[in-house]
Amino acid sequence: DTEVTQTPKHLVMGMTNKKSLKCEQHMGHRAMYWYKQKAKKPPELMFVYSYEKLSINESVPSRFSPECPNSSLLNLHLHALQPEDSALYLCASSSRTGSANVLTFGAGSRLTVL
Amino acid sequence: AQKVTQAQTEISVVEKEDVTLDCVYETRDTTYYLFWYKQPPSGELVFLIRRNSFDEQNEISGRYSWNFQKSTSSFNFTITASQVVDSAVYFCALSEASQGGSEKLVFGKGTKLTVNP
Repeated sequence: DTEVTQTPKHLVMGMTNKKSLKCEQHMGHRAMYWYKQKAKKPPELMFVYSYEKLSINESVPSRFSPECPNSSLLNLHLHALQPEDSALYLCASSSRTGSANVLTFGAGSRLTVL
Repeated sequence: AQKVTQAQTEISVVEKEDVTLDCVYETRDTTYYLFWYKQPPSGELVFLIRRNSFDEQNEISGRYSWNFQKSTSSFNFTITASQVVDSAVYFCALSEASQGGSEKLVFGKGTKLTVNP
């Protein structure tokens, strides 16, 4: 079983809906990440939280809004998405940020925007 | 800018064959880290190995082995006696140490390995 848990596994939403993706880890990691992965492409970094503070935002559109309520939880709030936002959204964590750190990934939330 | 190239898009082998996945990287840093991750059909990326730029020792873990050569900027991955469970997409990735807290993992495009029974 993966140590990073993502819910829901699948989500279908309309362009006017508001939904959230959730990610949870209990490994004591202090860095958490959101990646977006389109079909047959590598993961692309969206956001990085370090000690519950946003440290990297890769110029992601404001219709994606991350939140880190505590060291174990990471949310991604979705609003007014476009069909091209359909993708696998992967959450990851590491003990802290830094180039040497190994990321532990969740199984992802597969999002379809109609 | 850092870059990772996995020239093999897809590889198909028959079980028990050996297979090598190629990875070539570009960086101007002297300190960097290289990774391999496996992504099975279930979706999660699974960490396989990390190597820092100062450690060119090759590594073997069971049927897996890695060949790191700084002279050719390559970090190739070999699976010996492949099994059907090895079928997955494999990503090579690079992280530079000089980003001052903004270190990012840059992935190659991935190689899809299919092992047929």
